[in-house]
Amino acid sequence: EPEVTQTPSHQVTQMGQEVILRCVPISNHLYFYWYRQILGQKVEFLVSFYNNEISEKSEIFDDQFSVERPDGSNFTLKIRSTKLEDSAMYFCASNTGGVNSPLHFGNGTRLTVT
Amino acid sequence: QKEVEQDPGPLSVPEGAIVSLNCTYSNSAFQYFMWYRQYSRKGPELLMYTYSSGNKEDGRFTAQVDKSSKYISLFIRDSQPSDSATYLCAMSAGAGYSTLTFGKGTMLLVSP
Repeated sequence: EPEVTQTPSHQVTQMGQEVILRCVPISNHLYFYWYRQILGQKVEFLVSFYNNEISEKSEIFDDQFSVERPDGSNFTLKIRSTKLEDSAMYFCASNTGGVNSPLHFGNGTRLTVT
Repeated sequence: QKEVEQDPGPLSVPEGAIVSLNCTYSNSAFQYFMWYRQYSRKGPELLMYTYSSGNKEDGRFTAQVDKSSKYISLFIRDSQPSDSATYLCAMSAGAGYSTLTFGKGTMLLVSP
């Protein structure tokens, strides 16, 4: 069964550094998403992306965050200057966007900001 | 009032028990309801996807939605130790490309 893949599985970075989290969505999917889950908290929506532009974003997704689809297969989340509170699991998800098209999630990247 | 509420558990049951997991919500615009299973350090894995009120069955899993009460349930029959995980309810107002609002998850422990 096709799946969403994310790399790296764990990223450690120092506060103030830039990080790029990478995702390969399922190949026939058209909508891409980033969610995050701070330890012990809910999974929270960050951003959705369709047709090479952001379709929706949450209050969390401020100017420090950006997303890009640099080629036909990858979807990336960049955090420009990481803060301690950015430490979380970051999940990429995708779907076709059709009526009966639930989100399929990757296994996440655990980001630790020290 | 929180948008989606879910008892965090843990819920401990013996193998073979029937498990009932529940969520309540406040936003009457929610139309699509999902249950995800999440193992430790893994991503949410879709179990059930339902639209509006009613029941849906898939193997040992049954999802129920009662929109009038703003209450959804997941039942697991003949629970197995491999069902031990955190179960997340999620919901959205629209189909397909709508963002999901998650509950905090219920940790389930099934003992052999």
